[in-house]
Amino acid sequence: GAVVSQHPSWVICKSGTSVKIECRSLDFQATTMFWYRQFPKQSLMLMATSNEGSKATYEQGVEKDKFLINHASLTLSTLTVTSAHPEDSSFYICSAARREETQYFGPGTRLLVL
Amino acid sequence: GENVEQHPSTLSVQEGDSAVIKCTYSDSASNYFPWYKQELGKGPQLIIDIRSNVGEKKDQRIAVTLNKTAKHFSLHITETQPEDSAVYFCAASQADMRFGAGTRLTVKP
Repeated sequence: GAVVSQHPSWVICKSGTSVKIECRSLDFQATTMFWYRQFPKQSLMLMATSNEGSKATYEQGVEKDKFLINHASLTLSTLTVTSAHPEDSSFYICSAARREETQYFGPGTRLLVL
Repeated sequence: GENVEQHPSTLSVQEGDSAVIKCTYSDSASNYFPWYKQELGKGPQLIIDIRSNVGEKKDQRIAVTLNKTAKHFSLHITETQPEDSAVYFCAASQADMRFGAGTRLTVKP
């Protein structure tokens, strides 16, 4: 299967700071990348979908000014959590897809906001 | 939009037994159905998928069946092993992919 990496794997930050998470498709060019959020013992909640070179499409209820997504190339997408607060603490997972729909997930980033 | 329901939410089996997880979907236009395995603290890993032009697909101990008329699909794991213990998610996709709530499978040695 295709390999998707995320960096960092975990991050602890102070309330009010911004955190950037990188998602890379290592062995294929991803036409689309997705960002999910997962709370403990819950399913994956889609936050936004991004296509290379265009603005991300956010799901209802997800603040685009708080969760900034940049998809600068076919192998890299970044999620920036701006002015993070404790309620933003979660497991953030990206996935990457080629045209044929299959999504390959990264290992996830655990964010803890103090 | 698509709605995916997954059952059971938890499943405990004895090593060597079979495990079956079932999902139903609402959008008849959905044509792609992957299954993911998520271990604790890790991202989901694709384990098998099926497209709407196929009724069954098998990969060693794992198989998936699809009933388009009834709009349900199932994951079958035979000869379960302790390392099969994880959370399994089904998903249905036509344009957007929607996930089931997950099934926590425990295989007791």
